[in-house]
Formats: sequence, structure tokens, C-alpha cells
Amino acid sequence: EAQVTQNPRYLITVTGKKLTVTCSQNMNHEYMSWYRQDPGLGLRQIYYSMNVEVTDKGDVPEGYKVSRKEKRNFPLILESPSPNQTSLYFCASSRSASGDQETQYFGPGTRLLVL
Amino acid sequence: AQSVTQLDSQVPVFEEAPVELRCNYSSSVSVYLFWYVQYPNQGLQLLLKYLSGSTLVKGINGFEAEFNKSQTSFHLRKPSVHISDTAEYFCAVSRQGAQKLVFGQGTRLTINP
Repeated sequence: EAQVTQNPRYLITVTGKKLTVTCSQNMNHEYMSWYRQDPGLGLRQIYYSMNVEVTDKGDVPEGYKVSRKEKRNFPLILESPSPNQTSLYFCASSRSASGDQETQYFGPGTRLLVL
Repeated sequence: AQSVTQLDSQVPVFEEAPVELRCNYSSSVSVYLFWYVQYPNQGLQLLLKYLSGSTLVKGINGFEAEFNKSQTSFHLRKPSVHISDTAEYFCAVSRQGAQKLVFGQGTRLTINP
């Protein structure tokens, strides 16, 4: 089954404790992206990747890091989480990074609480 | 840069009634337009998209949307809603040739029996 998976689905942590949220897709997609969803703000892009080893900042990158060492994986790293990073996070992927808009497929989300 | 405004944060309707969820966008370049649906505790699923051609776009689950360039709108409609349509709906735009999606704030659709 074609899908985007995220782990963990739920996470409670404390300020300053490094964490990684994994994202994996099995569709051989070029483009991958991370969004955060906050009430009243919709989804905002954190980082995106056009292909392996090619990543760039989105609209709200502060406090986050990403890497794209393999095509299928795009982990989101919070080196020193803070309470303002409490949010619902979504990973998404699409077939092509260029040309006409490709349908983006979203993962199930990771709900993060930073105390 | 593009921006999206969803004019209603919540829309309550009765089952089998028609519904319209409003979306306006601003952009200085040509855009593609999308509606996504998020059912409770799930990720986002594409309902429909406008890339070019006919301004009336039909999507899944009986939804449709009309692109109005002069009014920069892309309102979502369904003639008769069901309880199962209860969800949050997001309008989004992207610049032509780019993958980045810019989302609106979301509209929570609640269906009452």
C-alpha cells in the first residue's frame, strides 16, 4: 500500500531534550516536506526537500533541522525543543519536485507536547 | 508570495442540507488551487484541485469547487451533506511550477442530524 508513515504518532517531552520524528514514504517520491499545524493558523511549511541531499527552509524553520540521506526518509530533528514547538506535525511527499503540481500525500501526523 | 483566507472558521449545517465553504486567495502570479480534508485524528486527503481548464472542478465524495479568477475565490460546495462529512477542510494554493503549498486557516464543518 502506497503511504507516508510517521513515528512516533504521539510524543511528550521536556524542554531541551533532543528528539527526532521520522518520516518514510514507499512511493519513490522526489519531493518531501514537513508542516506544522496550529489552531487558527492552518498548516505552515517547516522544511522541504527536492531530492536526496537537497533540502531548504520553508516558512517556519527556526528550531528545526532535517536531513535527506535516502530518497524514502526525511526525518525532522528538534535539537532543543521548546514549548512553542508543541504542535501537530505532518510529513508529505509528491512524485516530482518540479513541473506541474503533483498531488501531495500526507502522513497521519505526529502530535508533540513539549513541557 | 501567496496567501489564503478561509472566511469561516466553523460551519454548522444540518444533515442533507447544502454547504459552501469559502476560500479567497491572493497572488501576483498564476496559481494552482486545492481543497484538502482532514477527518478526526487523520492526515490530510486531497478532495480536488484546479490546475487549468474548466473552472468547475469535481472531487471525491460529491464535492465540487469553482475557480473564479476575477474574485480570486475557490469556494467548495456540496449539495447535500452527510454526517460522515464532519471534518476540517483546508484550502491551499501553490505557485505554478512549484510544489510548496500555502494553506488557509481551515474550516471546521460540523453536521448535525
